[in-house]
Amino acid sequence: DVKVTQSSRYLVKRTGEKVFLECVQDMDHENMFWYRQDPGLGLRLIYFSYDVKMKEKGDIPEGYSVSREKKERFSLILESASTNQTSMYLCASSFRANYGYTFGSGTRLTVV
Amino acid sequence: EDKVVQSPLSLVVHEGDTVTLNCSYEVTNFRSLLWYKQEKKAPTFLFMLTSSGIEKKSGRLSSILDKKELFSILNITATQTGDSAVYLCAVESLPSGTYKYIFGTGTRLKVLA
Repeated sequence: DVKVTQSSRYLVKRTGEKVFLECVQDMDHENMFWYRQDPGLGLRLIYFSYDVKMKEKGDIPEGYSVSREKKERFSLILESASTNQTSMYLCASSFRANYGYTFGSGTRLTVV
Repeated sequence: EDKVVQSPLSLVVHEGDTVTLNCSYEVTNFRSLLWYKQEKKAPTFLFMLTSSGIEKKSGRLSSILDKKELFSILNITATQTGDSAVYLCAVESLPSGTYKYIFGTGTRLKVLA
């Protein structure tokens, strides 16, 4: 069964910590995406990548960076976590345009 | 600015009722519209729509797209408690050569037994 795996379901971090959220897909998909989901705001795109070592900013990239050293892995990095980054983070991948997404189960991050 | 608006924001119905969820959009270079169902965790794919007027069906769920009026509807007939979820609409946009999906805020559906 093909899937997208996010390393943690729940995570609690302190303000100022560096946080790594990992996402791995086993479908050989070209494109990978990071979203955050907040009540009343829906899913907002943080960063996406359409190839290894390639990345593009989404709608809300401030405070985040990403890394894609291998095709199957896309990491989201919070350089210095802040309380306003408390959210549900969803990773997704897709084969190419017009093929829809497969989502991971999400990581609920709380920054205290 | 690209945007996707879903209505209603939330809905409470009884088992057996029929519901209609709405999704309207304004995006650059529309490619496709997708519907997802999200329960406790990852959104799961329901439909992808690319052409106007062609209904997609899966069991009690159906969806149709109107590219002239820029909206889509998702219908659920004979609702069951298992239909309780957040329903997300996403539109694929190609603003500058690299595609991306823009999501609405979702409609939270609760079906009472």
